[in-house]
Amino acid sequence: KQEVTQIPAALSVPEGENLVLNCSFTDSAIYNLQWFRQDPGKGLTSLLLIQSSQREQTSGRLNASLDKSSGRSTLYIAASQPGDSATYLCAPLNAGGTSYGKLTFGQGTILTVHP
Amino acid sequence: NAGVTQTPKFQVLKTGQSMTLQCAQDMNHEYMSWYRQDPGMGLRLIHYSVGAGITDQGEVPNGYNVSRSTTEDFPLRLLSAAPSQTSVYFCASSVGRGLMNEQFFGPGTRLTVL
Repeated sequence: KQEVTQIPAALSVPEGENLVLNCSFTDSAIYNLQWFRQDPGKGLTSLLLIQSSQREQTSGRLNASLDKSSGRSTLYIAASQPGDSATYLCAPLNAGGTSYGKLTFGQGTILTVHP
Repeated sequence: NAGVTQTPKFQVLKTGQSMTLQCAQDMNHEYMSWYRQDPGMGLRLIHYSVGAGITDQGEVPNGYNVSRSTTEDFPLRLLSAAPSQTSVYFCASSVGRGLMNEQFFGPGTRLTVL
């Protein structure tokens, strides 16, 4: 069964810092991995999708990397802003076993960027 | 496109009552799913569907029923609500189960069972 861990659980940084959010997963048989953002009381917004054959994906100030064989992904946020404050979730799409075709979510990293 | 829509936004039920959470998407997506989100538990898959007429169970299916008669709609039914079903429910959809299937989520339904 796929298990996803996100570190740190919470992060508080001053505006302007570059930061890294970590995601690890136990089963490397994945189709892709998706990073989401969730604002308090809201739904999930897709940030980046990395296919299993890719190493990196970039969107604006966000860069996500994937090392499928070691079961790790990182989300890099450059020049953080207060508007980046949210919970960030990673979710690999499983390609094998009983979790085939299903997303497994981590617990998330709660990010606070203060002015 | 409206994307994935969910109704209602909020609902309070009494134990034993039944209700249906609605989910619709206008992107012609084959794959739809229901998750619940609980503090400390993260998001967990309840049921999913790979197309009209096809549904299957996820991680926590007990107490919930689904059906998929059209591509657009995927309602979630609670037959006899229990306090343990107090949660935030999210519906999601994607093009398919294969590659490039970015998942899109609805805004959620916050359910309280008294």
